[in-house]
Amino acid sequence: AQKVTQAQTEISVVEKEDVTLDCVYETRDTTYYLFWYKQPPSGELVFLIRRNSFDEQNEISGRYSWNFQKSTSSFNFTITASQVVDSAVYFCALSDMYSGGGADGLTFGKGTHLIIQP
Amino acid sequence: EAGVAQSPRYKIIEKRQSVAFWCNPISGHATLYWYQQILGQGPKLLIQFQNNGVVDDSQLPKDRFSAERLKGVDSTLKIQPAKLEDSAVYLCASSLPGVYEQYFGPGTRLTVT
Repeated sequence: AQKVTQAQTEISVVEKEDVTLDCVYETRDTTYYLFWYKQPPSGELVFLIRRNSFDEQNEISGRYSWNFQKSTSSFNFTITASQVVDSAVYFCALSDMYSGGGADGLTFGKGTHLIIQP
Repeated sequence: EAGVAQSPRYKIIEKRQSVAFWCNPISGHATLYWYQQILGQGPKLLIQFQNNGVVDDSQLPKDRFSAERLKGVDSTLKIQPAKLEDSAVYLCASSLPGVYEQYFGPGTRLTVT
């Protein structure tokens, strides 16, 4: 069975600080996909990034960066120089690949509520 | 490109009543998913369709929930009869074949009183 743990329920920082959101996952599959989604107060889930289990290269996109470590089953997300608009709930999610060639449904963590104070 | 459309956006019903939600995925997206998100939790997969066939419905409470995607495009999720614990946001998502990112609609917020 798959499981995603986001131990941080809520994080509050002052604008311009760096913040890291933790994600630990469990799966028996050797091929899987990891995701981060953002859910702003409007409620719509916004896709941020996908990583494949066979590609441990870390990624930076603007102020966002992701650290994938297969050895510790972690996929952490860092926002550099945070802004008030980054305030949202962030979800880490896990998916296997099914035989039809697409992704299985996502298993989500409980989310981390990030509050950026001005 | 239009996103995933869902209706209604809000629904309030009494327990034991029936309710239906509608979803129209992004054009060309063969895979469609329904999720239930209870307040304060992450979304939970209810059912996954590939075209008009069911791929996974292992977490769908089949005694009261049903879903269909008859023509492989839009989909309907029904609850009959509703219980208080069904109060949640019901999210629809879609993805392209062979692509793993799922794109979500705005959701339907259901309140059962």
